[in-house]
Amino acid sequence: KAGVTQTPRYLIKTRGQQVTLSCSPISGHRSVSWYQQTPGQGLQFLFEYFSETQRNKGNFPGRFSGRQFSNSRSEMNVSTLELGDSALYLCASSGVNEQYFGPGTRLTVT
Amino acid sequence: AQSVAQPEDQVNVAEGNPLTVKCTYSVSGNPYLFWYVQYPNRGLQFLLKYITGDNLVKGSYGFEAEFNKSQTSFHLKKPSALVSDSALYFCAVRDGRDSSYKLIFGSGTRLLVRP
Repeated sequence: KAGVTQTPRYLIKTRGQQVTLSCSPISGHRSVSWYQQTPGQGLQFLFEYFSETQRNKGNFPGRFSGRQFSNSRSEMNVSTLELGDSALYLCASSGVNEQYFGPGTRLTVT
Repeated sequence: AQSVAQPEDQVNVAEGNPLTVKCTYSVSGNPYLFWYVQYPNRGLQFLLKYITGDNLVKGSYGFEAEFNKSQTSFHLKKPSALVSDSALYFCAVRDGRDSSYKLIFGSGTRLLVRP
């Protein structure tokens, strides 16, 4: 069974730009969650999508958004990038009582 | 509110010795507990989980964890550490009553196994 894939793996953007990250979950998993990992704040939950609907949302500004497609693939978008958005963005694919993470997208904002 | 505490930023142990990485949690409903490991520049790798049943849970790579409801703890253990176990370990909790799969993570514990 293929694991969780995330693209791109690395990204460098400039302040003020916007970025879109993609996640393909494990086949059969309908839930996709997104997390931000930074040295200062650790691992923080961004949002979860289940069957194309946002099921839960973390405490992040509206610049962070996401969506899920009918094939369960998910994208997250960050608009008007700030330096503090530099982080490792992790996608998690969930079945029943199990959650598997992708390798992450390393976003650097300059 | 849910929370997870990993009181040790770093744990040092000699190869071949037993290791313990501590985790305590707070959740209003039924605790679903998880351990993940992260190697440099990698995502999180699932080690084990407690949902219900036996308090001692066995996972990948010889790791196990013991769920203690009275102490609200879920410590990760391994009888004999390997140098290759050196990595960052995260404990996470989910409220089992919640339909969402949102995980709350601890701050992480760096495990250093010296030869």
